[in-house]
Amino acid sequence: KAGVTQTPRYLIKTRGQQVTLSCSPISGHRSVSWYQQTPGQGLQFLFEYFSETQRNKGNFPGRFSGRQFSNSRSEMNVSTLELGDSALYLCASSLADGLATPYFGPGTRLLVL
Amino acid sequence: GENVEQHPSTLSVQEGDSAVIKCTYSDSASNYFPWYKQELGKGPQLIIDIRSNVGEKKDQRIAVTLNKTAKHFSLHITETQPEDSAVYFCAARIYNQGGKLIFGQGTELSVKP
Repeated sequence: KAGVTQTPRYLIKTRGQQVTLSCSPISGHRSVSWYQQTPGQGLQFLFEYFSETQRNKGNFPGRFSGRQFSNSRSEMNVSTLELGDSALYLCASSLADGLATPYFGPGTRLLVL
Repeated sequence: GENVEQHPSTLSVQEGDSAVIKCTYSDSASNYFPWYKQELGKGPQLIIDIRSNVGEKKDQRIAVTLNKTAKHFSLHITETQPEDSAVYFCAARIYNQGGKLIFGQGTELSVKP
């Protein structure tokens, strides 16, 4: 089975711009979660989607949003980028239930200048 | 809210020695505890996990133990090899919060040949 894929792998943006990141889960997985990884804050949960509905949300400002499509693929969007948004954005997919194991993709490295 | 503390932040061992990484969680409703290995430029890779109804789990050179009373869990790697060098993360998931994981700060393991 193919793993979780994320596109693009690298991205450079400037302050004030917006960005959209994409995640394709493992085939059959219906839950997709997003995390932000930075050296200072570590891995922090952004949000989780299941069946096109946001199931859970972390403590991030409203500039961070996401959505999930009927094929379980997910996108996250960050508007009005700030320097502090520079990070590795990771997507994890799992089967539907709350006991399922999350598997991570390789991440998208975002640099905001 | 839920918090996961991980120690040590760095660990250096000689090839063939054992390595132990410890984590403590705060929410007694946590019921799932995965461990991830992250190599440079890659996403976290699941190496082992344990659920709250189990005290210990082994997979070849890797084992995880869980003490629910003390709310701590540990990763044990025996016969370490240079390819075990990476950053290791523990995580906890709270019952009834879907796929959301709370991560420890990570341990950078270095195995010297």
